[in-house]
Amino acid sequence: DAKTTQPPSMDCAEGRAANLPCNHSTISGNEYVYWYRQIHSQGPQYIIHGLKNNETNEMASLIITEDRKSSTLILPHATLRDTAVYYCIVRAISNSGYALNFGKGTSLLVTP
Amino acid sequence: GAVVSQHPSWVICKSGTSVKIECRSLDFQATTMFWYRQFPKQSLMLMATSNEGSKATYEQGVEKDKFLINHASLTLSTLTVTSAHPEDSSFYICSASDRRQGNFEKLFFGSGTQLSVL
Repeated sequence: DAKTTQPPSMDCAEGRAANLPCNHSTISGNEYVYWYRQIHSQGPQYIIHGLKNNETNEMASLIITEDRKSSTLILPHATLRDTAVYYCIVRAISNSGYALNFGKGTSLLVTP
Repeated sequence: GAVVSQHPSWVICKSGTSVKIECRSLDFQATTMFWYRQFPKQSLMLMATSNEGSKATYEQGVEKDKFLINHASLTLSTLTVTSAHPEDSSFYICSASDRRQGNFEKLFFGSGTQLSVL
């Protein structure tokens, strides 16, 4: 799996957009970009994933650069409940079941 | 999304005893489940892959005789920490892949089990 690099921590004011960057310069053509988050003392939660097109769902938007070497997760209107560790993971999809390898992630603190 | 239930949420045990943690997929069948361990302020580390009806596959450095995994049905995997010691104290998390359309690209996680060994 391609390696990812994320800033260790970020702050964001409540109500503002939180933009979390991720570098994955060694990503392969068949690898997707996934984002999960982990609120303290809970299991990780799926947020979004994409291959090369930008994606949006009810939780967030995922912007992937044209060369696919980096991406940004956008939480459009951050709330205090979005305070969590956000993990960017690159992985090829396999229908035989697959594990995710978690890096250190970005600890996002949303402040009032 | 799919729901993964993990039980218990927390457990305290004496050194030398065994502890069993259950992971259930509530609304889907999971032929494959994964067990992770997380120490304070660290990331999740994959311990093993649990396949229904067959032996689990352990990651390097994880003792298979200490961390017994049983995946006897399509909705239940168990992790038993045998002869637990204080260094086994950790947050254990299970996850499962849901092969139904719309979900198969994602992993769904349980809420985790905090194990404290005295």
